[in-house]
Amino acid sequence: GAVVSQHPSWVICKSGTSVKIECRSLDFQATTMFWYRQFPKQSLMLMATSNEGSKATYEQGVEKDKFLINHASLTLSTLTVTSAHPEDSSFYICSARDRVLTYEQYFGPGTRLTVT
Amino acid sequence: DAKTTQPPSMDCAEGRAANLPCNHSTISGNEYVYWYRQIHSQGPQYIIHGLKNNETNEMASLIITEDRKSSTLILPHATLRDTAVYYCIAYLTGNQFYFGTGTSLTVIP
Repeated sequence: GAVVSQHPSWVICKSGTSVKIECRSLDFQATTMFWYRQFPKQSLMLMATSNEGSKATYEQGVEKDKFLINHASLTLSTLTVTSAHPEDSSFYICSARDRVLTYEQYFGPGTRLTVT
Repeated sequence: DAKTTQPPSMDCAEGRAANLPCNHSTISGNEYVYWYRQIHSQGPQYIIHGLKNNETNEMASLIITEDRKSSTLILPHATLRDTAVYYCIAYLTGNQFYFGTGTSLTVIP
């Protein structure tokens, strides 16, 4: 089956710094990728939709200047958490929609971010 | 996308069938019913999906009522590794997946 990877799988950073999370589709091309955030014991919350070569679309209440998304190629999207604060500590998950089989969407393993 | 409603938690004895219900009374005619599960601290895992007909694969069966207002995911022989949060999603092709609160299934030895 199709594989989506995320890097890093976990990261610890200091408050005020920025951290970048990568999402890659390994064996298929994805014109669209999605970023989710999940707090402990809660469901996944969609943050934004990332389209290759264009600006991301953010869900209501998500700060676009804080969560920078870049989808520069058909296999890579990045999420940068800028000026991170402890409340940004969360589990970040990406998913990628197959460019050809558009009904297929695959999820990454997630990235655990801890801001100290 | 239609909202789905699931019980917050369920228990199932190991080896028995686990039947997880989902209500999606406002689902539209072209929205699929998708099921994912999430084991602690991992990404969601696809299980099965369907539109109108019942579906079966190596993991599970999906029973959709004739009026499509509800569905049931069946894990025929639950194992301890099936302990997870199960999400039922009404999905329109081309849109985003919006996750509800899901059902936390605990398989008991």
